[in-house]
Amino acid sequence: GDSVTQMEGPVTLSEEAFLTINCTYTATGYPSLFWYVQYPGEGLQLLLKATKADDKGSNKGFEATYRKETTSFHLEKGSVQVSDSAVYFCALKGGSYIPTFGRGTSLIVHP
Amino acid sequence: DTAVSQTPKYLVTQMGNDKSIKCEQNLGHDTMYWYKQDSKKFLKIMFSYNNKELIINETVPNRFSPKSPDKAHLNLHINSLELGDSAVYFCASSQGFATGGTEAFFGQGTRLTVV
Repeated sequence: GDSVTQMEGPVTLSEEAFLTINCTYTATGYPSLFWYVQYPGEGLQLLLKATKADDKGSNKGFEATYRKETTSFHLEKGSVQVSDSAVYFCALKGGSYIPTFGRGTSLIVHP
Repeated sequence: DTAVSQTPKYLVTQMGNDKSIKCEQNLGHDTMYWYKQDSKKFLKIMFSYNNKELIINETVPNRFSPKSPDKAHLNLHINSLELGDSAVYFCASSQGFATGGTEAFFGQGTRLTVV
C-alpha cells in the first residue's frame, strides 16, 4: 500500500538557518505529493503541493521538488523564522485516493 | 467563515460513555474523512465518505460509527468509550474522491480525553 517516511524530529534550528526535512514515499502509479503544517492547537493546513514529476511546489519561502527517480519530496527553506515552529507532515494521494501522511516532523526555531 | 468546523473542540468523558463529534464543511466538497491523531502526532485514517457513501473503513472498532446525513456533514459517534480512545480526532474534506491533486482541508480537531 501507499506509505510516507519522513525524518524523525525534533529538528532544532536557530533563526535564519537553512531547513531540510526529508520525505520519501512508496506508491503505485503517479501520486500527488503534499506538505502540510500543523501549528500548536490547530488542524493541518496545506503548505505546498506537486502533482507530477519534476514539479516544484512553493509557498511562504518553503519549497519541495517531486523527484520520481528517488521517490522523494524533501522540504526546504533558506532562512527559518521563529514563527515557522510547527509540525510538518509529508503526504501523498495515490491510487487509493486517501491522503496518506508521514509521522510528522517537529521543527523548533530559536531566536 | 470556517471551512471545516468540528464540535466540540474539547471533550472529557468517563469510560463507558457514548459521545458524538460533529463535522460540517461549507466548501461544497463531496468527500469527507475522519482521522485519529495519537500523542506522537501520527495521523491514521479511520473513515472516508464520498457523496454520503462510505468508501473506506479502516481497521476501527465497531464502537465507532460514522454518519453522513448529507454531503456537508460527517459525524462520528463512539460507543462505550475506552481509555485508549483518548486522542485528537480530525475531520477533513476534499473535492473529487478520484482526483489525485486535490488537497484535504482540515478542521481544528476535537481533543477527546477518556478518564
